[in-house]
Amino acid sequence: KNEVEQSPQNLTAQEGEFITINCSYSVGISALHWLQQHPGGGIVSLFMLSSGKKKHGRLIATINIQEKHSSLHITASHPRDSAVYICATNNDMRFGAGTRLTVKP
Amino acid sequence: DTAVSQTPKYLVTQMGNDKSIKCEQNLGHDTMYWYKQDSKKFLKIMFSYNNKELIINETVPNRFSPKSPDKAHLNLHINSLELGDSAVYFCASSQNSGANTDTQYFGPGTRLTVL
Repeated sequence: KNEVEQSPQNLTAQEGEFITINCSYSVGISALHWLQQHPGGGIVSLFMLSSGKKKHGRLIATINIQEKHSSLHITASHPRDSAVYICATNNDMRFGAGTRLTVKP
Repeated sequence: DTAVSQTPKYLVTQMGNDKSIKCEQNLGHDTMYWYKQDSKKFLKIMFSYNNKELIINETVPNRFSPKSPDKAHLNLHINSLELGDSAVYFCASSQNSGANTDTQYFGPGTRLTVL
């Protein structure tokens, strides 16, 4: 079993829908990364958070360190949000398998 | 100017060869990383360097050796390439800390194909 689990593995949504991607981990950490990998392969860091909530545009990330769980939300989803979203723990950088999001117009 | 650059972008080579992938960052960051993304798109850390010192050295074959000539560069040397080394290799950098609590900036990746 992977130390970092993401759900769902794949997600298809209609444009405008509210998206939630979940990340659970089994090890103690002090911070969690959310990354976005574009269809072309490039990787961009979206958030690094250690507590509470962070917001950037239509993206919101929350974390509960004690419950070992984080969520990434996308409001008013758009086809350009289609990508793979990956969470990673800061200790030794363990990655989830990613959630492939497809937003249809 | 690209913040984190890698060369080459594509590398096709025969089994048994020795090759290098170069990474440079112009962000003034203290920490650099190498990651491997396999055919199933799963990312795994290979190495991290903080101020030219090795911080993370995951269980990778000793055919892989990172070299950090200075803080801005972290090159990856691979000896005796094997078919299973085929993957995309990403370099990344972050401001500081071996605690990996800073935003990481990724290079564009190097797609290595071993024939």
